[in-house]
Amino acid sequence: DAGVTQSPTHLIKTRGQHVTLRCSPISGHKSVSWYQQVLGQGPQFIFQYYEKEERGRGNFPDRFSARQFPNYSSELNVNALLLGDSALYLCASSRDFGSNQPQHFGDGTRLSIL
Amino acid sequence: GESVGLHLPTLSVQEGDNSIINCAYSNSASDYFIWYKQESGKGPQFIIDIRSNMDKRQGQRVTVLLNKTVKHLSLQIAATQPGDSAVYFCAENIGNAGKSTFGDGTTLTVKP
Repeated sequence: DAGVTQSPTHLIKTRGQHVTLRCSPISGHKSVSWYQQVLGQGPQFIFQYYEKEERGRGNFPDRFSARQFPNYSSELNVNALLLGDSALYLCASSRDFGSNQPQHFGDGTRLSIL
Repeated sequence: GESVGLHLPTLSVQEGDNSIINCAYSNSASDYFIWYKQESGKGPQFIIDIRSNMDKRQGQRVTVLLNKTVKHLSLQIAATQPGDSAVYFCAENIGNAGKSTFGDGTTLTVKP
């Protein structure tokens, strides 16, 4: 079975631009979460979506937004990119919302801001 | 506040030895804990989890211990192999929100 897939794998943008990152969860998983991982640190929670609704939001500015589609795939959008947005963006999926279960991560999108 | 931290940022062990990676958490409301392994260029990979109503759980070559009294979590890897070299993260969940709070990781290096 395919794991969590993310695209693109790498992306280079300049300050002020906009970016869209995509994620397909494991088949049968309805919950998708997004994390930002800066080099040398652990992942930081950005959003969680379940059944197309936002169920959680981390401490990130409004420049960050996301959505989930009927097929449970998800997009993360970041506007007005800053140098500090350079990071690995990870998507994770889990079967449900509302029960403790491990999340399954993709290999991320490496975003570099010039 | 909510934070998860690891005692040591790096750990170097000899192949075949046992490894112990420690993690301290500060939120007593945390009720679910997960250990992840992250290899270079890859996303975190689930290793083992434990709920707060347990103090020990074993998997294949790995054991997680939870001490709620001192808010401490550890991951023990038996007979460490070169393939175990990676960054290890502990993460905690509160309630059933599904949001995980990660520590900054311990880099495990296994020497042949």
